[in-house]
Amino acid sequence: QKEVEQDPGPLSVPEGAIVSLNCTYSNSAFQYFMWYRQYSRKGPELLMYTYSSGNKEDGRFTAQVDKSSKYISLFIRDSQPSDSATYLCAPVPPGFKTIFGAGTRLFVKA
Amino acid sequence: DTEVTQTPKHLVMGMTNKKSLKCEQHMGHRAMYWYKQKAKKPPELMFVYSYEKLSINESVPSRFSPECPNSSLLNLHLHALQPEDSALYLCASSQDPDRAHYGYTFGSGTRLTVV
Repeated sequence: QKEVEQDPGPLSVPEGAIVSLNCTYSNSAFQYFMWYRQYSRKGPELLMYTYSSGNKEDGRFTAQVDKSSKYISLFIRDSQPSDSATYLCAPVPPGFKTIFGAGTRLFVKA
Repeated sequence: DTEVTQTPKHLVMGMTNKKSLKCEQHMGHRAMYWYKQKAKKPPELMFVYSYEKLSINESVPSRFSPECPNSSLLNLHLHALQPEDSALYLCASSQDPDRAHYGYTFGSGTRLTVV
């Protein structure tokens, strides 16, 4: 079983839609849960992170963690064409080795 | 300066060549990383430098040789590569090697093609 599972998509939505991106993980030692966004031909950039279970909101983005079910979500409200990118979930175990999910490719159509 | 700068952006090299990738950051970050990313795949960790010392080598073939001359610079020396080594090579840094939740700052990468 992979440590992190993420549907690679692609996911195509119309502009203004609510987008839900999800990951599952297997290691209960993960404490921090990061989301990175990667545009084509660029390196990933940190979008936001959450600690343990709960929600965190940043503008149109909401990150959610359910440690009981080992489920990570990223919601994008009022999606824009500029949100078209690959979104990588990245749980962080103790230590300094981040684990990246496969990444979900998102296309937001104008 | 909140960037990680990688040079060159593109590199084409033959299997007998020796080349180097360079990475630079001036954010005072004490951990630096090399990742390899194939098309439509997530980044795969290759090496981690913590306080300028190699702390993780993810069983990378010896044809890849990392070097950290100082706290701002990271090099990846390449020798006798294979076509399957063609990929995007990403450098990243983080503020504190023991606090990965602070997140990584990635460079834009070097797109390497081995012919």
